[in-house]
Amino acid sequence: AQSVTQPDIHITVSEGASLELRCNYSYGATPYLFWYVQSPGQGLQLLLKYFSGDTLVQGIKGFEAEFKRSQSSFNLRKPSVHWSDAAEYFCAEDTGTASKLTFGTGTRLQVTL
Amino acid sequence: NAGVTQTPKFQVLKTGQSMTLQCAQDMNHNSMYWYRQDPGMGLRLIYYSASEGTTDKGEVPNGYNVSRLNKREFSLRLESAAPSQTSVYFCASTERGSGQPQHFGDGTRLSIL
Repeated sequence: AQSVTQPDIHITVSEGASLELRCNYSYGATPYLFWYVQSPGQGLQLLLKYFSGDTLVQGIKGFEAEFKRSQSSFNLRKPSVHWSDAAEYFCAEDTGTASKLTFGTGTRLQVTL
Repeated sequence: NAGVTQTPKFQVLKTGQSMTLQCAQDMNHNSMYWYRQDPGMGLRLIYYSASEGTTDKGEVPNGYNVSRLNKREFSLRLESAAPSQTSVYFCASTERGSGQPQHFGDGTRLSIL
């Protein structure tokens, strides 16, 4: 069965430090991959998406993600984290049917000042 | 732009009561989805509607029914609520086609006593 794995349940970083959130996917030679962010009490907002082409994709809020086919990974990065980045982050993969998504279990980011 | 609107935002039910969660989108999207979000489990698909007039089961459909009322509206019904259905419910929509990102509402927080 298709699965998306986010191995880190909770990460704490200091404001200004760099960030990398890990994601591994399991489906498709040419996957469609997404990162979403969820602030407390809110819905999910799209940060960025990968379809094909450049393996480094840029998103909103200064985030980027790198697709590595050899490692089945799509890790999210930010060079310098801001306190407002504290939220839960979800990686997702298009299942290839009716635009359904399979989500990882999420990584909660805490930012210390 | 309203995007995806869910009502109500909060609800408390007693076991055995019924309820309908409403969802409407104003983006002229073909496909709509209902998810539930539980701690540590990410988002799980309950039902989806790939296009107006069609509905299909997702990963966790038991205890739920849906109606695609028209292209804009997709409702989720709990016929006899159970405590296990306490969750946060999200509606999403997307344009048809592989790799299209989903757009999410702000959620309905449902507690069943």
